[in-house]
Amino acid sequence: QKEVEQDPGPLSVPEGAIVSLNCTYSNSAFQYFMWYRQYSRKGPELLMYTYSSGNKEDGRFTAQVDKSSKYISLFIRDSQPSDSATYLCAIHSYNFNKFYFGSGTKLNVKP
Amino acid sequence: SQTIHQWPATLVQPVGSPLSLECTVEGTSNPNLYWYRQAAGRGLQLLFYSVGIGQISSEVPQNLSASRPQDRQFILSSKKLLLSDSGFYLCAWKGSGEGYTFGSGTRLTVV
Repeated sequence: QKEVEQDPGPLSVPEGAIVSLNCTYSNSAFQYFMWYRQYSRKGPELLMYTYSSGNKEDGRFTAQVDKSSKYISLFIRDSQPSDSATYLCAIHSYNFNKFYFGSGTKLNVKP
Repeated sequence: SQTIHQWPATLVQPVGSPLSLECTVEGTSNPNLYWYRQAAGRGLQLLFYSVGIGQISSEVPQNLSASRPQDRQFILSSKKLLLSDSGFYLCAWKGSGEGYTFGSGTRLTVV
C-alpha cells in the first residue's frame, strides 16, 4: 500500500467553479500535510501547509485535514484559468524524515 | 531570502554518456537537500537526500549517484546513462518548519 494516494485526473472545470482535490494516506503517524502546485515544465511550489485537523484558508484556497479518516483535501473557490496546473499532496513525519508525495491531479480550468 | 538554483534546464544526452546535474542553495546554511525524479504520471520519486557535507542517503538503488562537496551544493551524477534515466529531475531543500522549496528542474532526455 502506498503511503499516499491521489486521483490523477485529469479534472476539467469551467471558470468560477469550486474545485475539490483529495488524497488519502495510510499511516496515522504522519503529522504534516501540504499541497503543491506545479505548472507545466516547472518545479512544484508550496501552496498550503498544515499540521492539524480542520480547515486552513488562504484566499481562494482551503486545505482540509481529517486525521480520523486519513483524508486531506484542497478546495479552490472561484477557479481561474491560471489555476490550471498539477496539484500534488504531500505528507511528512519527523519520525520518517522524509516527505511522501501523491502522484498529482492535473486540473484544467476552462475560460 | 533563500533561493535554490538548478541547471541546466534541459539536457539531451546519448545512452552511455555521463551526467552531472548541479544544485546550489543560497541564503541558508546546513540545509537538508534532496534529489527527486518525476516521471510522467508517476509522481515524485525520492532518489537521494543529504543532511550535511559528504552525507548521502540513497533511496533507490540505480544507475545514479549523488555527492555533496560543499554545504550548499548537491550534485547528481551518472557514469553511463540509460534510456530509463529520462525524466524531470528536481532538487529541493528543506529549512526548519514548512515544506520543501524546489528548484526549477532539469528535463533530461536520454536518446
